[in-house]
Amino acid sequence: KNQVEQSPQSLIILEGKNCTLQCNYTVSPFSNLRWYKQDTGRGPVSLTIMTFSENTKSNGRYTATLDADTKQSSLHITASQLSDSASYICVLRSNDYKLSFGAGTTVTVRA
Amino acid sequence: EAGVAQSPRYKIIEKRQSVAFWCNPISGHATLYWYQQILGQGPKLLIQFQNNGVVDDSQLPKDRFSAERLKGVDSTLKIQPAKLEDSAVYLCASSWRGRNQETQYFGPGTRLLVL
Repeated sequence: KNQVEQSPQSLIILEGKNCTLQCNYTVSPFSNLRWYKQDTGRGPVSLTIMTFSENTKSNGRYTATLDADTKQSSLHITASQLSDSASYICVLRSNDYKLSFGAGTTVTVRA
Repeated sequence: EAGVAQSPRYKIIEKRQSVAFWCNPISGHATLYWYQQILGQGPKLLIQFQNNGVVDDSQLPKDRFSAERLKGVDSTLKIQPAKLEDSAVYLCASSWRGRNQETQYFGPGTRLLVL
């Protein structure tokens, strides 16, 4: 069983709307949690990084939250743009430096 | 700053053939990673180098996959012989020293199709 589960698998939203992606994990303890954005045909690019003690981190219209008690993280996209169409991957680094990747959520923004 | 370079971008081969991928990391980055990303899944680490030494190759199918980073800069990943299930995107990434909070920078990947 994967240690990082993401939902939904995919979603479609209209330009200008908000959306929230979920990441549930079992990796424990962990050092940090990252959200990556992967455009089609490109490698992933880091959006946010949070240590286990942080609750929220923003990068422009992207806001990540972390609840270590429920072992959940979310990525909120505000006022979506067409360029937000991509896969978003949740990644945890355990204390022994191992990385656990989620399968990603594919977001499609339509005009 | 130039990013991580990979070649080729696409490769189509028949099963049982051999294939090699090349990666040039960001200048000065000591740590280099090869990942396999099957369609619809997140990347899976195949091997991690620190300079020219292997740090982690626990998920590398060593009966058919090999990788080297002889001079601690460029790296090649080879599959010999290829199987249908090797069809995937092979991502190379690099980071400064491989430490905990460091960002990994990914290349565009090589998309492999095994027929």
